[in-house]
Amino acid sequence: NAGVTQTPKFQVLKTGQSMTLQCAQDMNHNSMYWYRQDPGMGLRLIYYSASEGTTDKGEVPNGYNVSRLNKREFSLRLESAAPSQTSVYFCASSDGGFNQPQHFGDGTRLSIL
Amino acid sequence: GQQLNQSPQSMFIQEGEDVSMNCTSSSIFNTWLWYKQDPGEGPVLLIALYKAGELTSNGRLTAQFGITRKDSFLNISASIPSDVGIYFCAGNLGAQKLVFGQGTRLTINP
Repeated sequence: NAGVTQTPKFQVLKTGQSMTLQCAQDMNHNSMYWYRQDPGMGLRLIYYSASEGTTDKGEVPNGYNVSRLNKREFSLRLESAAPSQTSVYFCASSDGGFNQPQHFGDGTRLSIL
Repeated sequence: GQQLNQSPQSMFIQEGEDVSMNCTSSSIFNTWLWYKQDPGEGPVLLIALYKAGELTSNGRLTAQFGITRKDSFLNISASIPSDVGIYFCAGNLGAQKLVFGQGTRLTINP
C-alpha cells in the first residue's frame, strides 16, 4: 500500500539552484496538492490540481511552479531556490475536491543555504 | 485569509489520562477533518466530519462538528504512548481550500 510517494526525502540546495520535487499516488485520485509546513504555522497550500491537465494557485505560490504530468504524478519545481523556501514539503491527493479527506506523503525536507 | 485557532498548542499528560483539544474559527465550515502527524511522517487522517452536530468515534478517539459549524473538538480517552504526536484540525469552506490549524503537540509521560 504505497499511497502517496514523495522523492527525495531530504535535499540541501544552495541559494539560486533549482530542483523538482516528485510526487506520485496510486489511489487513482483526481485531485493532488502541494503544501509546505513551517514550525508553528500548520500546512499552507502552494498549488493544487483538481484534475489531470489543470493546476491552480494556493495560498503561497510565489517562487514555485507545478506540473500535473498525468493522473498519478504531480511535481513541484523551485526555479531559483531562496532560504525562505527552507521547509518540509508535503504532497497529498484526494478523490474529489477540498471537502474530501486528503492523503499525504511522508514529506520532503528541503534546506536552502 | 481564513484562520483556524487550535488549542492548546501543546499538552503534557500522564499515560491513561483523557485528552481534549479544539479548533475554532470566525468562518463557517462545511467539513472538519482531524489528522495526526508522527515525527518524520505525513499527516494521517483520523476522523472526518460532514454535518453540524455530528459526533464520530474511531476507537478511543471521538470528534464532534460544532452546531454553529465554526468549531470542532477531538477527545482521546485513556491515552497510551503511541498517541504522542501532533494533531491538526482542518476545515473546508466549500470550493475553497482546506484550512489547517497550527497543531496541538501531545507529549505523554509513562
